[in-house]
Parts: sequence; C-alpha cells; structure tokens
Amino acid sequence: GESVGLHLPTLSVQEGDNSIINCAYSNSASDYFIWYKQESGKGPQFIIDIRSNMDKRQGQRVTVLLNKTVKHLSLQIAATQPGDSAVYFCAEREEAYSGAGSYQLTFGKGTKLSVIP
Amino acid sequence: AAGVIQSPRHLIKEKRETATLKCYPIPRHDTVYWYQQGPGQDPQFLISFYEKMQSDKGSIPDRFSAQQFSDYHSELNMSSLELGDSALYFCASSLFRGDEKLFFGSGTQLSVL
Repeated sequence: GESVGLHLPTLSVQEGDNSIINCAYSNSASDYFIWYKQESGKGPQFIIDIRSNMDKRQGQRVTVLLNKTVKHLSLQIAATQPGDSAVYFCAEREEAYSGAGSYQLTFGKGTKLSVIP
Repeated sequence: AAGVIQSPRHLIKEKRETATLKCYPIPRHDTVYWYQQGPGQDPQFLISFYEKMQSDKGSIPDRFSAQQFSDYHSELNMSSLELGDSALYFCASSLFRGDEKLFFGSGTQLSVL
C-alpha cells in the first residue's frame, strides 16, 4: 500500500511481482528525464533515462514511460527482487537557452520500494 | 571503475561553527554538482562548477560558498552552521557540462548539534 505525509510514499511488492513507480513532473519545458535508485546511506544511482521525444524506453528489467500530455513519468521494474528495495527518484532537466544554459537536475519526491521476500 | 569520492563521510559540528566538505570527481570529469538532501527529502541542487568556474546556482544559502580547483576537485564551505543545515550533502560529476549523466558520490552526512 501507499502512505504519504511526513514519510516518503511507500510501495510494497512481493518478490517476483512487477513494480510500477510513478512520478509527476511540473515543468512542461523539461526535455530529459532520469530515474535514480538510492539505497540507504548511498548516493543516487542512475537507472534509466528518456528524452522528451520518446514515450517509452526499455532497459534490463526496467522500462520508463513518459506521458507529456499529463506530465507523468513511470518506472516499471519486472520481476522485482529484494535488491531492488530502495528509494526511487525521478529527475527532470530543462535546458534553458539563456546563453549560459542550465543543466541542473530537479529531483521529484522519492518513493520507497519495499520488496517482500 | 573510479567513482566520485567525498570526504568526510560523516561530520558533526555545533551551531555557528564552520564546515568544509570535499569532492573528488571521476577522473576526466570537469563538471561538479552539489546537492543537499534533508531526511526523507529529495536532493536539492545547490551549485555547480564547470572548468573551475561557477556554472549554475540553485538554493545555496549565502552562508555557503564553493569552488572548484585546478585538479577539478571541489570544496563546499559552510559557515555559521544552523540546525537546519543537518543533511546529506552529495557531490556529483559529469564528463562535460552538457552531459546529462551525473554520477553521485556516497555523500557527507552533516549533523549540526
């Protein structure tokens, strides 16, 4: 189930099931999106990315879907394993054509994925 | 493969003290980013450097300053520390300024007492 508030939204799934983690982004000018995995005490780790001219991209066991109409991003993890337990963040980037450009990523709110053995 | 190295791993300071966090990017990466992550929060962009010059500025307080040195390592200097500065501070590096793939270090956990 999910819980929000002071704590991160949490998604609990059975080992072997598929997981879907959702993210709503705010900037319609964002042209690049990344999913990061963050394990406890570690830095965010790149999982998969997608550009705004695509609506789906697949990696190994992971798929990212992008719906620009409703500014929604999702990460699907197939056959979820205990090692997938972590906090997952989506991040967006807008390249501001200001001359200097702007390349920082803006992170969304994370979702904690807990895999039940 | 070499990763982004941050030091120290943990740091405990008292209010009004100063702190210096160090970041060593992946070899040949010339762009460094600093992020602050509070408990249960998403990482917030502070500042970035490209070729030893400030590239972009985010929500970095005036009490903080940072620089990138000739060997591309970066230091985040924090003065007049407040309780609210307690957070995990991440450094990330990328191969070049427009490269979207950021590689993050393991972070420095700063606790202000």
